[in-house]
Amino acid sequence: DTAVSQTPKYLVTQMGNDKSIKCEQNLGHDTMYWYKQDSKKFLKIMFSYNNKELIINETVPNRFSPKSPDKAHLNLHINSLELGDSAVYFCASSQGAPGLNEQYFGPGTRLTVT
Amino acid sequence: GDSVTQMEGPVTLSEEAFLTINCTYTATGYPSLFWYVQYPGEGLQLLLKATKADDKGSNKGFEATYRKETTSFHLEKGSVQVSDSAVYFCALSAGVSGSARQLTFGSGTQLTVLP
Repeated sequence: DTAVSQTPKYLVTQMGNDKSIKCEQNLGHDTMYWYKQDSKKFLKIMFSYNNKELIINETVPNRFSPKSPDKAHLNLHINSLELGDSAVYFCASSQGAPGLNEQYFGPGTRLTVT
Repeated sequence: GDSVTQMEGPVTLSEEAFLTINCTYTATGYPSLFWYVQYPGEGLQLLLKATKADDKGSNKGFEATYRKETTSFHLEKGSVQVSDSAVYFCALSAGVSGSARQLTFGSGTQLTVLP
């Protein structure tokens, strides 16, 4: 059983399109996250979310929005895609308050914007 | 703000060589420190962690000691294997009491071990 899964694994799309990446965790965790990894492998948190609050990294454009239909899912919606959005996006989850405990990462979604 | 500085890679070693990857940090509050590993094509996995000064985290032959006086958390392994080839990330989790914590990552260090 995959603990944290993401779909799709690869996503190629054109500038200006709107796309979504889905994330599901079966660990019963309280908190989920989205990270962006650029071409130099640098990882940056975009959002953390639990049933109490959404914490947004202030550098994230408002074209990006997380949506959580339930505790086990945190999807990432991206509007009006730009070339600079090309990256690998990782979903993660952890138990308890955000940032407190070990985070479990999904396999990543490689987004390419052309 | 919080930050993590790692030694720049890539690092290439022969099998059975000794490994050190340096990591220093700047943080408010009382951070927890982590090393994560990313194997090719995969997500990150926690390798080890330490939650307070002088703690030593260890796993799979890797070790790192939380040094508050030098604000460091260097990763070491006495004898690397080809299967250790991966990208290694140092990270910290910190937050002033009452505020949410988040992981801040270093830039990652690519390790290649040659047979």
